[in-house]
Amino acid sequence: GAGVSQSPRYKVAKRGQDVALRCDPISGHVSLFWYQQALGQGPEFLTYFQNEAQLDKSGLPSDRFFAERPEGSVSTLKIQRTQQEDSAVYLCASSSLISGNSPLHFGNGTRLTVT
Amino acid sequence: DQQVKQNSPSLSVQEGRISILNCDYTNSMFDYFLWYKKYPAEGPTFLISISSIKDKNEDGRFTVFLNKSAKHLSLHIVPSQPGDSAVYFCAASGLSSNTGKLIFGQGTTLQVKP
Repeated sequence: GAGVSQSPRYKVAKRGQDVALRCDPISGHVSLFWYQQALGQGPEFLTYFQNEAQLDKSGLPSDRFFAERPEGSVSTLKIQRTQQEDSAVYLCASSSLISGNSPLHFGNGTRLTVT
Repeated sequence: DQQVKQNSPSLSVQEGRISILNCDYTNSMFDYFLWYKKYPAEGPTFLISISSIKDKNEDGRFTVFLNKSAKHLSLHIVPSQPGDSAVYFCAASGLSSNTGKLIFGQGTTLQVKP
């Protein structure tokens, strides 16, 4: 089925490198979320888009993290000058609703390892 | 400060028996609660949800109970099956009315033994 697709599945970066993680949400889904999941923890909110507008970026841990969704569909999470503490699984999720309570549909994530 | 807590990191039950997973939350503004299931190397998949206006929601073998006064919810799986072995996350929303942002617990690993 056409679920949320993330690429790459795995990324190894040397400390200091920039990385870009891609998310293809379910077609037509207005809302898009990025989450970070550290080992042994639950997902933690990073940022939220409604169409192309980034309405909430309160969870981004530093100004090295940047996300965009220029045409309201595909989104990219960019991490500049990666640090070891950035190692985690980055999950993208989408939803058909603009607001209110509804389940999010998650992709399989990108596992980032910073060496 | 952890607003959603799953205090049991793991749970092991026998096939056919009941599995009970617990979750506590601290913020009374949460108005919607969900359970997600996660297999290794996959993203979380939605299992069941409950609105704060209800105290029980049932879907097949899965039932979620909400006790608002205790700020506690639980997921019951009856009967448990080996395929239910996974990590279970509870999540809550309602703090950001315009986003539906979810706050997750740390997860409980369920093992169902044949």
